[in-house]
Amino acid sequence: DVKVTQSSRYLVKRTGEKVFLECVQDMDHENMFWYRQDPGLGLRLIYFSYDVKMKEKGDIPEGYSVSREKKERFSLILESASTNQTSMYLCASSFEGRPWWTFGSGTRLTVV
Amino acid sequence: GQQLNQSPQSMFIQEGEDVSMNCTSSSIFNTWLWYKQDPGEGPVLLIALYKAGELTSNGRLTAQFGITRKDSFLNISASIPSDVGIYFCAGQLSAGSYQLTFGKGTKLSVIP
Repeated sequence: DVKVTQSSRYLVKRTGEKVFLECVQDMDHENMFWYRQDPGLGLRLIYFSYDVKMKEKGDIPEGYSVSREKKERFSLILESASTNQTSMYLCASSFEGRPWWTFGSGTRLTVV
Repeated sequence: GQQLNQSPQSMFIQEGEDVSMNCTSSSIFNTWLWYKQDPGEGPVLLIALYKAGELTSNGRLTAQFGITRKDSFLNISASIPSDVGIYFCAGQLSAGSYQLTFGKGTKLSVIP
């Protein structure tokens, strides 16, 4: 069964910490995405990548960065975590040109 | 940017009832998708629609792509408790586009 795996289901971090959220897919997908999900706001795109070492800003990139050194792995980095970054983070991937995103199970991050 | 207006925002229904939800937009989309998110999980693709007017079924689920390519509805017949979750519509503006635009979701609760 194809999978998008997010390294942690739950994380609690302190304000100012550097946070890494990891995502791995085993489907050889070219495209990978990071979204955050907040009640009443739906899914908002943070960053996406269409190839190794390539990245594009989404709708809300401020306070985040990403890294894609290998095709199967896409990392989201919070350089200095803040309480307004408390959220559910979802990773997704897709084949080039195909509209079907496959999502991971999500990481619920709490910044205290 | 593009927006998808999804309604209703939430629904409480009795087990066995039929459910209808819809999405509208001012933009024309190439592809419409419907996802379901179970509590604590990532969204899972239910149905993909590619042609204006297309009607597609997946078990008790039926979705249609509007003739104008600016709207879509999802119907669930004879609801059961495991239908509980958040249903998202999503649109792809053009074939091969790297981005999906998501609605804010319809939260469905089924009363046994």
